[in-house]
Amino acid sequence: EAGVTQFPSHSVIEKGQTVTLRCDPISGHDNLYWYRRVMGKEIKFLLHFVKESKQDESGMPNNRFLAERTGGTYSTLKVQPAELEDSGVYFCASSLFAGGSGPYNEQFFGPGTRLTVL
Amino acid sequence: AQSVSQHNHHVILSEAASLELGCNYSYGGTVNLFWYVQYPGQHLQLLLKYFSGDPLVKGIKGFEAEFIKSKFSFNLRKPSVQWSDTAEYFCAVRPNTGNQFYFGTGTSLTVIP
Repeated sequence: EAGVTQFPSHSVIEKGQTVTLRCDPISGHDNLYWYRRVMGKEIKFLLHFVKESKQDESGMPNNRFLAERTGGTYSTLKVQPAELEDSGVYFCASSLFAGGSGPYNEQFFGPGTRLTVL
Repeated sequence: AQSVSQHNHHVILSEAASLELGCNYSYGGTVNLFWYVQYPGQHLQLLLKYFSGDPLVKGIKGFEAEFIKSKFSFNLRKPSVQWSDTAEYFCAVRPNTGNQFYFGTGTSLTVIP
C-alpha cells in the first residue's frame, strides 16, 4: 500500500514568489492534515480536511496560505506571496478516521516538503 | 494554550546505553499521547501511543513510554539503544476533544557504535 506522498521534496523560491505544495494521502483516507516545522521549532498544525471540507483551519498563519482539497483526494497548499518566515518543512498526514482511540485514526505522515524562501 | 516540552534537544549515547527522553505537556483535560520517530531521510513514523488503561505502553523496536498523569509527563525509554535508533524523536499530544496534534520541538538522538 502506498503511503502519503508529497511533492516537491524541496523547493527554493525568492521572497514574493508563489509556491504550491501537493499532498496525496493514502487512498481511502478522508482525513488530511497539514503541519509545518520551522527550523528548530515544534511541528505545528495548520489545518484539517475531512474529504473536501475544511474541518479546522485554526493553525493557518495568515491569508497568504491557501489550502484546497477539491474532490476530496489530493490537497494543495499555496503560499502567495512567500515571505522569509515561511521557510520550513511542510508535512502532510492522513487518517481513515479522526479522533477517538481506535486503530483507524492513526495519522500517517508524508516525507515533507522542505521550503526555503530567499 | 496547549504546549509540549521536550527538554533534551540533542542526546548522544553509546550503543547498549539506556535511553530516557522527557516529554511534558500542559493541558488540563483528557489527552491522547504519542511518540513519533523520524529516521534520517524517512518520514515520521508512530513509535507508540497511549489512550487509556495501563500507563506503561510498549511500542515498536523495544521502546516503551510511561504516562504519569500527576506530572503531565510521557517519557520515552529504551533499555539498550542501537546505532539504528539514531533519529529524531517527537512527543505529541492530542486533546481527546479534537483532532489537532501538538508536537514538541523534537529530540535528536545520535547513537555511537
